[in-house]
Amino acid sequence: ETGVTQTPRHLVMGMTNKKSLKCEQHLGHNAMYWYKQSAKKPLELMFVYNFKEQTENNSVPSRFSPECPNSSHLFLHLHTLQPEDSALYLCASSGEDRANYGYTFGSGTRLTVV
Amino acid sequence: AQSVTQLGSHVSVSEGALVLLRCNYSSSVPPYLFWYVQYPNQGLQLLLKYTTGATLVKGINGFEAEFKKSETSFHLTKPSAHMSDAAEYFCAVSTGTASKLTFGTGTRLQVTL
Repeated sequence: ETGVTQTPRHLVMGMTNKKSLKCEQHLGHNAMYWYKQSAKKPLELMFVYNFKEQTENNSVPSRFSPECPNSSHLFLHLHTLQPEDSALYLCASSGEDRANYGYTFGSGTRLTVV
Repeated sequence: AQSVTQLGSHVSVSEGALVLLRCNYSSSVPPYLFWYVQYPNQGLQLLLKYTTGATLVKGINGFEAEFKKSETSFHLTKPSAHMSDAAEYFCAVSTGTASKLTFGTGTRLQVTL
């Protein structure tokens, strides 16, 4: 248990489905992140939230819709995905002093789009 | 701007041999440096970090890294590889307390008998 919990661990969805990924942390962190990790590709930072406000969106397609209702919870809503969206989606969190303590990652959600 | 370069996307060593994973960084200010490890289908786990002070940093599982400013490097080493060390390793850099981490592309370590 790392302190950051992601659910579900595995998800298979059709291209017309709508699903959501959930991330939860009770570390008192104020920043949360979504990363996409595809096979043979670098980690891709998707979204950054600080104190519930989105501060970064790295040109992510609109079929991915993040939501951060409070500093402890982060969601990624998925709809009309493509097979190339299949990947490991990682959530991370950090405190204000991220340089001294780094990020804490969840175990990820393995998403397969069929 | 900050960046890291990890030389070698795949490294293979024999069990018991020295592990050396290379990381070079680019930063206009004193960097904060990290190594993370990722086991299959898991998230990234912090191995060790350099912030200030001693340049030789010891981490979990017998790993250590040395910050060399003159070489802009932060290479990860372990004297004797174990089969359980097989994983992907990521180097990361930050340039300030509120600065984001920038990750390298990762190095997959294979350990053979």
